[in-house]
Amino acid sequence: ETGVTQSPTHLIKTRGQQVTLRCSSQSGHNTVSWYQQALGQGPQFIFQYYREEENGRGNFPPRFSGLQFPNYSSELNVNALELDDSALYLCASSLGGGGSQETQYFGPGTRLLVL
Amino acid sequence: AQSVSQHNHHVILSEAASLELGCNYSYGGTVNLFWYVQYPGQHLQLLLKYFSGDPLVKGIKGFEAEFIKSKFSFNLRKPSVQWSDTAEYFCAVTNNAGNNRKLIWGLGTSLAVNP
Repeated sequence: ETGVTQSPTHLIKTRGQQVTLRCSSQSGHNTVSWYQQALGQGPQFIFQYYREEENGRGNFPPRFSGLQFPNYSSELNVNALELDDSALYLCASSLGGGGSQETQYFGPGTRLLVL
Repeated sequence: AQSVSQHNHHVILSEAASLELGCNYSYGGTVNLFWYVQYPGQHLQLLLKYFSGDPLVKGIKGFEAEFIKSKFSFNLRKPSVQWSDTAEYFCAVTNNAGNNRKLIWGLGTSLAVNP
């Protein structure tokens, strides 16, 4: 296992609700990336945080937002949930600011179901 | 836009058979290439990666991959698979352009090895 933890493991919400997912990075890692993995798809990059600042963003609407805390743990917030937001949400931590050659260490994911 | 194609979505092999999983990417510049694996019930983990140098890269558990620049390919190979190799395999790419932070992923290949 990687030392990256995520909570909760599973979550059921209804359309229009808001959700917060949490991630604790591996010890010593200062960078957290979030991915959305729909069923049968590869992960899609949502955004990355480095030292509490957003450090890159994929093609996700503003209702997907995040935070990184001084201990480098992170939250992913999704507002106004839609059915298509149902997916596995993966958090990955790395050391070094998210450079293109960094190895990322993944957590187990949070499976979100929107009804 | 940069993309990654994995040609085989589902592969079924018998133990001791040889494995080759295809991965092609679309980007004309310098790339960094990764293979990740997800064993049943476990986190995504790095198998191997290529940044530069010898295009034949060796990873964990007897896996290797060859970068062929002219073919934009990074195929994963293993001479003799074991039942424990049953997993989902993902090819992913980053590039060195600008301030890129994104891992671009393929759809994944599900490998089932029959004992």
